[in-house]
Amino acid sequence: DTAVSQTPKYLVTQMGNDKSIKCEQNLGHDTMYWYKQDSKKFLKIMFSYNNKELIINETVPNRFSPKSPDKAHLNLHINSLELGDSAVYFCASSQDLRRGYEQYFGPGTRLTVT
Amino acid sequence: KQEVTQIPAALSVPEGENLVLNCSFTDSAIYNLQWFRQDPGKGLTSLLLIQSSQREQTSGRLNASLDKSSGRSTLYIAASQPGDSATYLCAPETSGSRLTFGEGTQLTVNP
Repeated sequence: DTAVSQTPKYLVTQMGNDKSIKCEQNLGHDTMYWYKQDSKKFLKIMFSYNNKELIINETVPNRFSPKSPDKAHLNLHINSLELGDSAVYFCASSQDLRRGYEQYFGPGTRLTVT
Repeated sequence: KQEVTQIPAALSVPEGENLVLNCSFTDSAIYNLQWFRQDPGKGLTSLLLIQSSQREQTSGRLNASLDKSSGRSTLYIAASQPGDSATYLCAPETSGSRLTFGEGTQLTVNP
């Protein structure tokens, strides 16, 4: 029973392309997140959504556009990919925005831009 | 802006040893703090969540403590096993359910 799933697991693409990563959670949570883990293994939040509404947008280039068609899904679209976008992207969810709830992470999508 | 530091960056111990991982954070106005483990090439697994009003939280061989006023948390692992080898991350939560991560402690438990 997968709680937070992401597709694809691996993504290799060339500079300048546009790509999307999908995330789904079956936990009934209201809040979802995207995190980026760079080559130094440092994890940073990019976005959070609550009930399909953008809550956090953490100074991410506007080439990155999250989309939440419903509260169980949060997709990440990246335009004009650059070498520096190579990283592992993690989706996460929590019950809601109120304090005190654990965040549950997906397995990650390793993006390599060549 | 919250900054999180984890010490040591790497730790190698023989099996059976008790060990302590340290986490410090600069903004003490946190709501809770989560400890995670990350296995190579895998996602994050939540180990413990300790609320800002709590001093300790225990799960099996793991015990997390929190001193919010001094900006510190520790993760104690008793009787370590090779299966505990992973990177351990601490992440205090501030407003808007924002988690800020440290760089982690890479733990190796040798049989």
